[in-house]
Amino acid sequence: DAGVIQSPRHEVTEMGQEVTLRCKPISGHDYLFWYRQTMMRGLELLIYFNNNVPIDDSGMPEDRFSAKMPNASFSTLKIQPSEPRDSAVYFCASSLFLRNSEQYFGPGTRLTVT
Amino acid sequence: GDSVTQMEGPVTLSEEAFLTINCTYTATGYPSLFWYVQYPGEGLQLLLKATKADDKGSNKGFEATYRKETTSFHLEKGSVQVSDSAVYFCALTSGGSNYKLTFGKGTLLTVNP
Repeated sequence: DAGVIQSPRHEVTEMGQEVTLRCKPISGHDYLFWYRQTMMRGLELLIYFNNNVPIDDSGMPEDRFSAKMPNASFSTLKIQPSEPRDSAVYFCASSLFLRNSEQYFGPGTRLTVT
Repeated sequence: GDSVTQMEGPVTLSEEAFLTINCTYTATGYPSLFWYVQYPGEGLQLLLKATKADDKGSNKGFEATYRKETTSFHLEKGSVQVSDSAVYFCALTSGGSNYKLTFGKGTLLTVNP
């Protein structure tokens, strides 16, 4: 398997623009997670899905953030409008189960909002 | 809520030195404990895990023992290599957090030749 695939790897955009990050989880994994990593706040879980259904979005910082999983092989994280404080590395991860299960992380998308 | 505290970095060692990265936790019930590693420019990957008290997780020469009495899960390696340079994250899951991963802030390790 190719592992978790994320695109783009790098994104530079201007404040106010819409940003869409994409993720393809490992085939057969029922759980998909979106994380954000910054120097100040470390790793934060934004939202996770089980069988394409959002289960917990309590980590989504604001209404500007939204996530979808239209099918088992694709998810998006959208920021509209983007702000400089959204600059971070965004990781997607997937796992077979939730409890005690290894999460497999993608390489991340480095987002810079100017 | 659940929380993980790990030693502040950065940690700089010479090749073949002994490594310890301290990790303590607070959790509801009986958590499972993990160490993840992040190499430069990559995502996190699982290094080792332990799911019950006194279990020892091990991988690639790294070890950590689940100590319930001291709520700790310290990472150790007897002889580090330059290739071990990375950021190391201690993490846990428990029923109190609905089994979501709770991460520590990470410890940057640099190993010099």
